[in-house]
Amino acid sequence: QKEVEQDPGPLSVPEGAIVSLNCTYSNSAFQYFMWYRQYSRKGPELLMYTYSSGNKEDGRFTAQVDKSSKYISLFIRDSQPSDSATYLCALGFYGNNRLAFGKGNQVVVIP
Amino acid sequence: SQTIHQWPATLVQPVGSPLSLECTVEGTSNPNLYWYRQAAGRGLQLLFYSVGIGQISSEVPQNLSASRPQDRQFILSSKKLLLSDSGFYLCAWDTGTGSNQPQHFGDGTRLSIL
Repeated sequence: QKEVEQDPGPLSVPEGAIVSLNCTYSNSAFQYFMWYRQYSRKGPELLMYTYSSGNKEDGRFTAQVDKSSKYISLFIRDSQPSDSATYLCALGFYGNNRLAFGKGNQVVVIP
Repeated sequence: SQTIHQWPATLVQPVGSPLSLECTVEGTSNPNLYWYRQAAGRGLQLLFYSVGIGQISSEVPQNLSASRPQDRQFILSSKKLLLSDSGFYLCAWDTGTGSNQPQHFGDGTRLSIL
């Protein structure tokens, strides 16, 4: 079983729709969670960082963590064509430099 | 604010040639530094990381090596490139003050081996 599972998509949505992205993980020792956005031919850009169960909002973005179910989500409200990118989840342990990454989920927002 | 620079952005090299990719971070001291390779559909593979000058940990035995000659400089090298070394190489940093910090990435080098 892989450490982190993320459906690669692609996911196509009309402009203005809500985008919902998910990652599941197998190791309950993961303690902090991130979402990155990666545009084509660019490096990943940190979108959201959280270490507690529950929701964290930042503008149109909401990160949700459910440690009991080993499940994290990213929601994008009022999606825009500029949100078209690949989104990667990343998980980390305290006391360890290594992050476990999902493979990324490609999102296309259609005008 | 902190910034990370990688160069070159793209590189085409023949098989058997040497390689040197450079990464520098500005606006922070004593960062942890990382080299990743990203292949399509395979996610990010950690190649090397460094917690200080001259300290390199290798995650995957292969044709590559890394060095950290200065606090904010990280170099990825190879003496003889293989076709399998093609890919998108990313450098990243975190603050190094605790292991629960997010990593921040440069814009990568796209390496093609002919």
